[in-house]
Amino acid sequence: AQTVTQSQPEMSVQEAETVTLSCTYDTSENNYYLFWYKQPPSRQMILVIRQEAYKQQNATENRFSVNFQKAAKSFSLKISDSQLGDTAMYFCAFHAGGTSYGKLTFGQGTILTVHP
Amino acid sequence: DAGVIQSPRHEVTEMGQEVTLRCKPISGHDYLFWYRQTMMRGLELLIYFNNNVPIDDSGMPEDRFSAKMPNASFSTLKIQPSEPRDSAVYFCASSPDRSRTSSYEQYFGPGTRLTVT
Repeated sequence: AQTVTQSQPEMSVQEAETVTLSCTYDTSENNYYLFWYKQPPSRQMILVIRQEAYKQQNATENRFSVNFQKAAKSFSLKISDSQLGDTAMYFCAFHAGGTSYGKLTFGQGTILTVHP
Repeated sequence: DAGVIQSPRHEVTEMGQEVTLRCKPISGHDYLFWYRQTMMRGLELLIYFNNNVPIDDSGMPEDRFSAKMPNASFSTLKIQPSEPRDSAVYFCASSPDRSRTSSYEQYFGPGTRLTVT
C-alpha cells in the first residue's frame, strides 16, 4: 500500500516571499502520478499542480513549482511571491496509475498562513 | 463547465435520523468518488464508481453507510441511522476516463458539512 507523509503540520510565510512544503511517499510502483491540492477556508479542494513520475522535468504552474526527486521519493511544492490568497491547507496526493483504478492517497496536510 | 455539484452544503440532523447527500459529477466523467474529511482521520476514500458501477467500497465504515449511482449524472451517499461520530465534511469528486486524460486528477465538489447532534 502507498503512503504519503507531510511532515510539516503548519508553515507560515510573509507576503511576497517564497515557501516550500514537503511531501514524501512510499511506493513500489514505477509509473505513478503526484498532485498538490489546495483547500482554502472555503473548504473547496482545488488542484494546484500535477507531476507524472515518468517525466524528469519538474512541473510548473505560474507561481507554483515542484521539486520531484524520484529516487528519494520526495515531492515538494514551492510557492513563489506568496500572496494572501495562498493561505490554505495543502495536501499532497499520490495515484499509482493504472494498477489502482481511481484511488488517490492523501497526506495529512500542511496549513500554510501567508502574513501581510 | 459547472464543476462537481453537491447538495446540501450544510446538514444538521439528530442522531438516529437518515441523511442523504447528493452529488452531480462533471458531465462526461466516468469516475465518481465519495470522501470523508475529519480532523482526526484526514481525507478518507469511502467508495468509488466507474461508469455507475461501484468498484471499491472498502472504505465505507459500516453498514449504516450506502451509496448509489443510478445514472451517470447523479449519486447519493446515505447514512441510516446517523450517529454523532459521522459528523464530518463529505466530498464528492469526479474524474475522466484515463483514455481521455494525461493524468489521474480528480475534481472535487464544495463538500457537505454534516453535523449529527
